[in-house]
Amino acid sequence: QSVLTQPPSVSGAPGQRVTISCTGSSSNIGAVYDVHWYQQLPGTAPKLLIYGNSNRPSGVPDRFSGSKSGTSASLAITGLQAEDEADYYCQSYDSSLSGSRVFGTGTKVTVL
Amino acid sequence: QLQLQESGPGLVKPSETLSLTCTVSGGSISSSSYYWGWIRQPPGKGLEWIGSIYYSGSTYYNPSLKSRVTISVDTSKNQFSLKLTSVTAADTAVYYCARHAHSGLAANAFDIWGQGTMVTVSS
Repeated sequence: QSVLTQPPSVSGAPGQRVTISCTGSSSNIGAVYDVHWYQQLPGTAPKLLIYGNSNRPSGVPDRFSGSKSGTSASLAITGLQAEDEADYYCQSYDSSLSGSRVFGTGTKVTVL
Repeated sequence: QLQLQESGPGLVKPSETLSLTCTVSGGSISSSSYYWGWIRQPPGKGLEWIGSIYYSGSTYYNPSLKSRVTISVDTSKNQFSLKLTSVTAADTAVYYCARHAHSGLAANAFDIWGQGTMVTVSS
């Protein structure tokens, strides 16, 4: 049972903008701990997409952006492309769980 | 280019111990900048952090698995390992090893992952 909640699915047409929310609490996102985002294409390992709330690793397109406010974080994908169809997970640290790194429940992005 | 590769049995019997090893290549597991972790993903489900280890041997475990998990490191072989005892069908999953930074903006972000290995618990 994850402490970070995401919508099960979001969808959009090519070229549109979609956002994925990640809702936590005062012991994780609402504290000083950063949020990271991962993209998991079918049958592959997750790939780091955003780190430190809003930073993109080298090679990640600037269509992907992240933000954090209060006890929630968001991932936005602008100019949605067919290749963006994947599962997306947020992740943070939770101080109430003995040093646990916690993942969100995951969101399936479908490109219509 | 740092790479991680999981290895171990793909089938484990119920009540037995699951043992996996992650081999790090292209870099040193003894870097002071990183932790090395295990994450699993049951079929069709989400990601679950199992635990992490520092090259010195310091460990952090998921409280829900702590009583059954041991993670160890062998710096001479550039490897770290996972042992999960008393397994049941609920432990059937793809098991990934991954690296995460010790500090900074990317602290706790898993930036490099192995390809994953499927472990099935069945008699």
